[in-house]
Amino acid sequence: GNSVTQMEGPVTLSEEAFLTINCTYTATGYPSLFWYVQYPGEGLQLLLKATKADDKGSNKGFEATYRKETTSFHLEKGSVQVSDSAVYFCALSDRAGGSYIPTFGRGTSLIVHP
Amino acid sequence: GAVVSQHPSWVICKSGTSVKIECRSLDFQATTMFWYRQFPKQSLMLMATSNEGSKATYEQGVEKDKFLINHASLTLSTLTVTSAHPEDSSFYICSARVMGGDTQYFGPGTRLTVL
Repeated sequence: GNSVTQMEGPVTLSEEAFLTINCTYTATGYPSLFWYVQYPGEGLQLLLKATKADDKGSNKGFEATYRKETTSFHLEKGSVQVSDSAVYFCALSDRAGGSYIPTFGRGTSLIVHP
Repeated sequence: GAVVSQHPSWVICKSGTSVKIECRSLDFQATTMFWYRQFPKQSLMLMATSNEGSKATYEQGVEKDKFLINHASLTLSTLTVTSAHPEDSSFYICSARVMGGDTQYFGPGTRLTVL
């Protein structure tokens, strides 16, 4: 079956530090890959996505590149802000399965200190 | 675009009562909606997949008779927690998939507290 593995948190950084949150996946087909962000007390917001190998998704300074050879989709940001503090979820949607039921990672909490 | 709303955003009820949560896709049609449950500081647990005009598909371990799901139109799905008990207290989140697409868009969640 499909699975998504994220690095365990919390990740604690100072403002303006570089961020990497690792995500690897296993899938039977050719999945689309996603990063969602959840702020405290809220639902999930789509942060970025990539639909095929070597695609780079980007939004709000965050980037992630679909690496098929390493089955990874690591999230990066060059300079984090306090407002980036949230929980980040890596997910995949397997098109080959036809049902598009997503598979989520466990989430990684990011805490950014001033 | 691709906005999903949930109502109510929070609800407090007495044990034994039923609570209905609505999930609406505001600016797109969604043939498929998903219902999740999230415990504090944990990931999302998929409860069921709701397809317009047909019965929902429940994940293993989710009680069908307790969590009733109806998807009567392409823009509305409802989750009814029947005979709620304190252990049903949780954050319930819905998502909707754009027809023909692979991306899910999430509602803001509903905080249910059962006293």
